[in-house]
Amino acid sequence: KAGVTQTPRYLIKTRGQQVTLSCSPISGHRSVSWYQQTPGQGLQFLFEYFSETQRNKGNFPGRFSGRQFSNSRSEMNVSTLELGDSALYLCASSLGLAKDYEQYFGPGTRLTVT
Amino acid sequence: AQSVAQPEDQVNVAEGNPLTVKCTYSVSGNPYLFWYVQYPNRGLQFLLKYITGDNLVKGSYGFEAEFNKSQTSFHLKKPSALVSDSALYFCAVRGNTGKLIFGQGTTLQVKP
Repeated sequence: KAGVTQTPRYLIKTRGQQVTLSCSPISGHRSVSWYQQTPGQGLQFLFEYFSETQRNKGNFPGRFSGRQFSNSRSEMNVSTLELGDSALYLCASSLGLAKDYEQYFGPGTRLTVT
Repeated sequence: AQSVAQPEDQVNVAEGNPLTVKCTYSVSGNPYLFWYVQYPNRGLQFLLKYITGDNLVKGSYGFEAEFNKSQTSFHLKKPSALVSDSALYFCAVRGNTGKLIFGQGTTLQVKP
């Protein structure tokens, strides 16, 4: 089976712009989660989607949003970019919402905000 | 609130020696515990998980982890370290909230 794919892999944006990142989960996986990874804050949970509905949300401002499509693919959007949004954004998929399901991660999208 | 602590930023070990990467957690309800590894410029790879049952869990690449409920710990172990095990290791916990919360990560350096 193909793994989790994320596009694009690298992105450079300017402050104030917006960005959309894409994630395709492993075939058959219906839950998609997003994380932000930075050297200072580590791995922080952004949100989780299942059946096109946001099921869980982390402590991020409303500039961060996401959605999930009927084929389980997901996108996240960051509006009005700030320098502090520079990070590796990781997408992870799992079979469902059950707590014992492990998540499988994509390679990430490296976002640089200048 | 859920939290995970990895008290060591870095662990250094000689190849062939046993290794331990420490993790303690705080969670409401029964803990679901996971270990992941991250190689440079890569996403996280799942190593193993504890859900219930036997306190010693075996995972990928010869890694195992020991769950200790009284000490709220879930330490990652390997009997004989390889240079190729050098990477960043994350412990994670999921409790009643359903959110997967990660520790800050521990860099494992295995020297030949």
